[in-house]
Amino acid sequence: DGGITQSPKYLFRKEGQNVTLSCEQNLNHDAMYWYRQDPGQGLRLIYYSQIVNDFQKGDIAEGYSVSREKKESFPLTVTSAQKNPTAFYLCASSFRTGVTGELFFGEGSRLTVL
Amino acid sequence: SQKIEQNSEALNIQEGKTATLTCNYTNYSPAYLQWYRQDPGRGPVFLLLIRENEKEKRKERLKVTFDTTLKQSLFHITASQPADSATYLCALDGGSSSASKIIFGSGTRLSIRP
Repeated sequence: DGGITQSPKYLFRKEGQNVTLSCEQNLNHDAMYWYRQDPGQGLRLIYYSQIVNDFQKGDIAEGYSVSREKKESFPLTVTSAQKNPTAFYLCASSFRTGVTGELFFGEGSRLTVL
Repeated sequence: SQKIEQNSEALNIQEGKTATLTCNYTNYSPAYLQWYRQDPGRGPVFLLLIRENEKEKRKERLKVTFDTTLKQSLFHITASQPADSATYLCALDGGSSSASKIIFGSGTRLSIRP
């Protein structure tokens, strides 16, 4: 079945450690996105990518890094520089950018910093 | 800076009534606006998209309007049911300067009581 897969679903990390969240899609979508969601709040854009080997910062990129080496994959690294990383992270993809970008979301990864 | 506001954090209405949710934006002109549904602990699911040159869009019991003069969208659920209880998010593209940047409002938590 086509879809977008995030892993792991739950992740615990100690302060000072980097952690990488995986996002894979087999929908042949061009664009991919990473959002962060805090309890009771909306989605805030971290990074987005329109094509392979290119990505742009969103509104809260500090403390995060991404790569887009393959069309299907858009991993997010939460670095130790991110001051408050505990959150629900959502990855999304869409067919075309700048036109009718309906987003398809994964099921999310919940990161807890101990 | 670009800003999106959804009218209330929570809305509680009686089953069978029409639920109306509001999304307002400032400081830019998006090409289109989208509405999503999010259930607790899950990724958002796309519902409807409306373009800047469209006044209204319908899908079954859902209706969306888009007023670019008022910079506002209204989202209606008619004949509401308890199963419609969820958080509803509006999302907009970044306008002509960054059309592929999709940003979200903070969401409205809708509860339909029997």
